[in-house]
Amino acid sequence: ELKVEQNPLFLSMQEGKNYTIYCNYSTTSDRLYWYRQDPGKSLESLFVLLSNGAVKQEGRLMASLDTKARLSTLHITAAVHDLSATYFCAGSMDSNYQLIWGAGTKLIIKP
Amino acid sequence: SQTIHQWPATLVQPVGSPLSLECTVEGTSNPNLYWYRQAAGRGLQLLFYSVGIGQISSEVPQNLSASRPQDRQFILSSKKLLLSDSGFYLCAWSDGTVAYNEQFFGPGTRLTVL
Repeated sequence: ELKVEQNPLFLSMQEGKNYTIYCNYSTTSDRLYWYRQDPGKSLESLFVLLSNGAVKQEGRLMASLDTKARLSTLHITAAVHDLSATYFCAGSMDSNYQLIWGAGTKLIIKP
Repeated sequence: SQTIHQWPATLVQPVGSPLSLECTVEGTSNPNLYWYRQAAGRGLQLLFYSVGIGQISSEVPQNLSASRPQDRQFILSSKKLLLSDSGFYLCAWSDGTVAYNEQFFGPGTRLTVL
């Protein structure tokens, strides 16, 4: 059974700093997904990581996948206030239609 | 391009009343469809998913039910709402023809049961 754990669950940081959100999963996951949720809003897909060593970047966000370590990271570079949101990671297995979700990381970036 | 609609956007219902939430997807055929619930400040709980018309898989025993009467329509229902049914209900779709399961979410329905 696939389980997904994120840490930290809450992160408060200053603008301009760098930080990383970690997503560990318990067994083989063919795919790893990152989503963003703004307060009171729905979820937006950020990245889909499909293979070991995959790295994707969009603006100040970069996601990577290490299937051997069963770890994905979401790195925030020079954080800005607009990146304040809750970030979720999720894994899936090829034989299953479901996504297995992490608990989410609430990120607050202070000006 | 594909779009997903949910309605209503907000709903306040008394305990014991019925519920019907609707989700429709445009711009794709035979999508996988999902209903999630998110309690305030919490993560996502998968309620139901469907891989085709009339095919519904339930993940959590509860007083909710789902139906898929048309290819791109997914309905969440209840005969009698409980206080614990309050939450943010999200519908999502994914492309069943690709090898990965990226899900795209609708705007959500915020349900308050009083």
